[in-house]
Amino acid sequence: EAGVVQSPRYKIIEKKQPVAFWCNPISGHNTLYWYRQNLGQGPELLIRYENEEAVDDSQLPKDRFSAERLKGVDSTLKIQPAELGDSAVYLCASSTGNSYEQYFGPGTRLTVT
Amino acid sequence: RKEVEQDPGPFNVPEGATVAFNCTYSNSASQSFFWYRQDCRKEPKLLMSVYSSGNEDGRFTAQLNRASQYISLLIRDSKLSDSATYLCVVNLPIYNQGGKLIFGQGTELSVKP
Repeated sequence: EAGVVQSPRYKIIEKKQPVAFWCNPISGHNTLYWYRQNLGQGPELLIRYENEEAVDDSQLPKDRFSAERLKGVDSTLKIQPAELGDSAVYLCASSTGNSYEQYFGPGTRLTVT
Repeated sequence: RKEVEQDPGPFNVPEGATVAFNCTYSNSASQSFFWYRQDCRKEPKLLMSVYSSGNEDGRFTAQLNRASQYISLLIRDSKLSDSATYLCVVNLPIYNQGGKLIFGQGTELSVKP
């Protein structure tokens, strides 16, 4: 069974540029999460989807971040414009129903210069 | 106060040593508890759930003390392959939204020959 797929794996951009990350969850997983992990810290939830619906986006900086999961499968996270402080690893995870076990993708390492 | 706090680490131990990690959480409504493992530059993976009665999986033992809001992980007979960052994770119930996983900052373990 394929795991959570993310792309790109690495991205280097200049500040004020836009950037997008893509995630394909494990087949059949209706819940999808985007996390941000800063160096030396644990992952912090940005947004959680149940199918197409964003059920928790309280930690998403909505002035510059947006996300979508139009067909309840793949998801895209966008930052526009990027700031230096956005440099981090962006992790996507998925899970089934009420399971607390989340399966993480390899992440996208973003560097903003 | 952070919602989940862990020993700062890093822990540097010789092979065969026993090492214990501690974690405290602030929200007494938390219901589920986990330890995740994260290898360097990799994604987090579930190591084990933590049950009220304590649970053991081979060389790993997890304990929960609800009264003190304290979680521990004990690793016996450390192996080189145990070198990783160990993340304490707490599920925070959110009304009508299921739950939300809160990750500690992680404790780094380095097992030396």
